[in-house]
Amino acid sequence: ELKVEQNPLFLSMQEGKNYTIYCNYSTTSDRLYWYRQDPGKSLESLFVLLSNGAVKQEGRLMASLDTKARLSTLHITAAVHDLSATYFCAGNPGGGADGLTFGKGTHLIIQP
Amino acid sequence: DAGVIQSPRHEVTEMGQEVTLRCKPISGHNSLFWYRQTMMRGLELLIYFNNNVPIDDSGMPEDRFSAKMPNASFSTLKIQPSEPRDSAVYFCASSLSSGVQYFGPGTRLTVT
Repeated sequence: ELKVEQNPLFLSMQEGKNYTIYCNYSTTSDRLYWYRQDPGKSLESLFVLLSNGAVKQEGRLMASLDTKARLSTLHITAAVHDLSATYFCAGNPGGGADGLTFGKGTHLIIQP
Repeated sequence: DAGVIQSPRHEVTEMGQEVTLRCKPISGHNSLFWYRQTMMRGLELLIYFNNNVPIDDSGMPEDRFSAKMPNASFSTLKIQPSEPRDSAVYFCASSLSSGVQYFGPGTRLTVT
């Protein structure tokens, strides 16, 4: 059974700072996903990481995957208030078109 | 393009009543997923379908929960009878094969 652990679960940071969210998973996962959720809203897909060493970047967010360490990271560069949200990582244990197993989420607050 | 459509967006019902949640996946997508989100348990996969066929319903909490997908453009999640502990946000998501899962806006269910 795949288990996904994120840390930290809560993060308050100042604008302009850099920080990293960590996602560890317990068994092989076909791929690793990152989603964003704003309060009271749905989940928005940010990244899909398919292979070891994969790195994807969108604006101030960059995600990477190390399948040997079973670790994915979401790095925030020069944070801005608009990035305040809850970020989830998720894996799919069965591979293919399988349901996702989510971490508990990292609640990120970026203060001016 | 229309995203995943869910109805109703909010549902308030009394304990013991039947509740039916509805989902229309993105046109052309062949996989459909039902998730539940609560503060205590986070995001949980309930059931998913591939090509209208239920593949894994191990996440359905009890026999009170049932899901159907009579055709490629419609799915229902039914709770009968409902209980206060069923209060949650229920998300439907769809994907094309093993691609990214796109989430609907969710149905916020309150059982009193």
